[in-house]
Amino acid sequence: GIQVEQSPPDLILQEGANSTLRCNFSDSVNNLQWFHQNPWGQLINLFYIPSGTKQNGRLSATTVATERYSLLYISSSQTTDSGVYFCAAAGGYSSASKIIFGSGTRLSIRP
Amino acid sequence: EAGVAQSPRYKIIEKRQSVAFWCNPISGHATLYWYQQILGQGPKLLIQFQNNGVVDDSQLPKDRFSAERLKGVDSTLKIQPAKLEDSAVYLCASSLGGAGTSYEQFFGPGTRLTVL
Repeated sequence: GIQVEQSPPDLILQEGANSTLRCNFSDSVNNLQWFHQNPWGQLINLFYIPSGTKQNGRLSATTVATERYSLLYISSSQTTDSGVYFCAAAGGYSSASKIIFGSGTRLSIRP
Repeated sequence: EAGVAQSPRYKIIEKRQSVAFWCNPISGHATLYWYQQILGQGPKLLIQFQNNGVVDDSQLPKDRFSAERLKGVDSTLKIQPAKLEDSAVYLCASSLGGAGTSYEQFFGPGTRLTVL
């Protein structure tokens, strides 16, 4: 099955800094999502981005499907951005393809 | 639009007891997923339903875990008997599913299970 790797595992930044989180996947994908898991454990959808570039406020994401990676950009970080960011991907061309989560990037924003 | 609903939110049981979790997906979503998330790890898929049929249950410990999705809407996940290592958050998600539709998954708030 598809392998999903995230880097870095941990990231500590000062408020206002920018960050880039990376997700590498081992096969072609029909689903690539970025989530933010808040301190209460809720997985919040950030982007559904099997290919291309999307932006939502201070967050943006790019997936280069041919090179099998996706990047999540966070600009002007705020303390509320702290938490764990997960990338999840499903390979193949069927809705039955199993989605695999990476191990996450734990982001800590210091005031 | 209402999101994915799960209950209970928290459950504490003794080992060897049984427990059941309930999930109501987003209206119109054909595909429903149950995940197990152990502390410090990413969610792991346990079972995937397309309407009321099982698509993937390869990582479901079938000797103690069972799941059903009657009428292709609500779903229940049961553990019987529970072990200490089953302590985790159990997440339910749903997506539109099916060819030509979005595969984007939406998650419920989860059920935090503690087995003592």
